[in-house]
Amino acid sequence: EVQLVESGGGLVQPGGSLRLSCAASGFTFSSYWMHWVRQAPGKGLVWVSRINSDGSSTSYADSVKGRFTISRDNAKNTLYLQMNSLRAEDTAVYYCATAPGIAPRAPAHWGQGTLVTVSS
Amino acid sequence: DIVMTQTPLSSPVTLGQPASISCRSSQSLVHSDGNTYLSWLQQRPGQPPRLLIYKISNRFSGVPDRFSGSGAGTDFTLKISRVEAEDVGVYYCMQATQSWTFGQGTKVEIK
Repeated sequence: EVQLVESGGGLVQPGGSLRLSCAASGFTFSSYWMHWVRQAPGKGLVWVSRINSDGSSTSYADSVKGRFTISRDNAKNTLYLQMNSLRAEDTAVYYCATAPGIAPRAPAHWGQGTLVTVSS
Repeated sequence: DIVMTQTPLSSPVTLGQPASISCRSSQSLVHSDGNTYLSWLQQRPGQPPRLLIYKISNRFSGVPDRFSGSGAGTDFTLKISRVEAEDVGVYYCMQATQSWTFGQGTKVEIK
């Protein structure tokens, strides 16, 4: 069974940093691209970032470019999101997600999410 | 960036009646490989999103056959043939032809 478990969320002051983790199991983690998607309270889904299977290529939404860094450790089956210079508008539940081969480019697997609150 | 626009944003429906959600993209979702990477997701209250439909009309594993997807190019539709109580939630269309972009979401609730 595919499992994605996020951790690392919490309360942080504006300008602060957090590192989110997503522990993966039940599939060959090193074979799949991984994504971060966030959802502000009461709002819709917004794509944040993605990384290819070996970590050599990354992409970011304009709203986080230069502040967030996505990375992965295939030996540990773990995805990361380093978030720096956090702003109030970054407050959201952050989900990791992936698209399995049977549903190409469709996010079939999601974690439960981790809440990041940016507030003084 | 591709913008996804859903209508309506709210859909009160009677149990057992059909429901339909439209999604329009700002440009064609046909990828250079010939596929159209348009998906539909359901998010029940307090839950992460769940994949229902991928590549316009393919139901994902375990999705009831009352859910169906159709469309082409820039215009797509999700239909629920007979709404059940468990279908309450927010539905998102999503494109993955060029990065990922989500629609604003359509809230389906029971009248």
